[in-house]
Amino acid sequence: DAGITQSPRHKVTETGTPVTLRCHQTENHRYMYWYRQDPGHGLRLIHYSYGVKDTDKGEVSDGYSVSRSKTEDFLLTLESATSSQTSVYFCAISKGQGQNTEAFFGQGTRLTVV
Amino acid sequence: GQQLNQSPQSMFIQEGEDVSMNCTSSSIFNTWLWYKQDPGEGPVLLIALYKAGELTSNGRLTAQFGITRKDSFLNISASIPSDVGIYFCAGRGAGSYQLTFGKGTKLSVIP
Repeated sequence: DAGITQSPRHKVTETGTPVTLRCHQTENHRYMYWYRQDPGHGLRLIHYSYGVKDTDKGEVSDGYSVSRSKTEDFLLTLESATSSQTSVYFCAISKGQGQNTEAFFGQGTRLTVV
Repeated sequence: GQQLNQSPQSMFIQEGEDVSMNCTSSSIFNTWLWYKQDPGEGPVLLIALYKAGELTSNGRLTAQFGITRKDSFLNISASIPSDVGIYFCAGRGAGSYQLTFGKGTKLSVIP
């Protein structure tokens, strides 16, 4: 198994509260990604990072921010959670492009916003 | 942005049957990946493809990178109950860090 740990694994929060999800890797991979998975939509990219303090937006980035202060940690923050952000969130890592583009996933965080 | 159409959305098959699923893209991809996801788990990489026309096997699974670079196929031979799950294709275009995912094929195997 790829050394990826997501925390928490489950969380219930109230609308309007801030929430931070953590992804920790032990593989020293350069690239880290946050995806959300919803029925009928598959996996959609929220944000990704290509190095420490280097991040960029994915296709569904509104309402989310990220930070990467160390190679091993990538944080996803919901500034003010909404019910539409109820989802399963997956972190993924990869070495890079070309032959190293394979992405390996964590076990996911199930977030419920009530 | 890039879009992937994955089909079929779901399939019910008898144990022992062969299975085929495919993905098509609106643009050219340089990499195709196939993942399997079990309930409550993250996707697990099955097969990676990097060249047009490439055919790669992993046990009973075989995947192909289409010649046009806009499609890929996954075949499972002699299905067994543990093949149950959701299969995703993913592709990466030239010069992109990002993977685009299909919406998945849910496979059910009837013993």
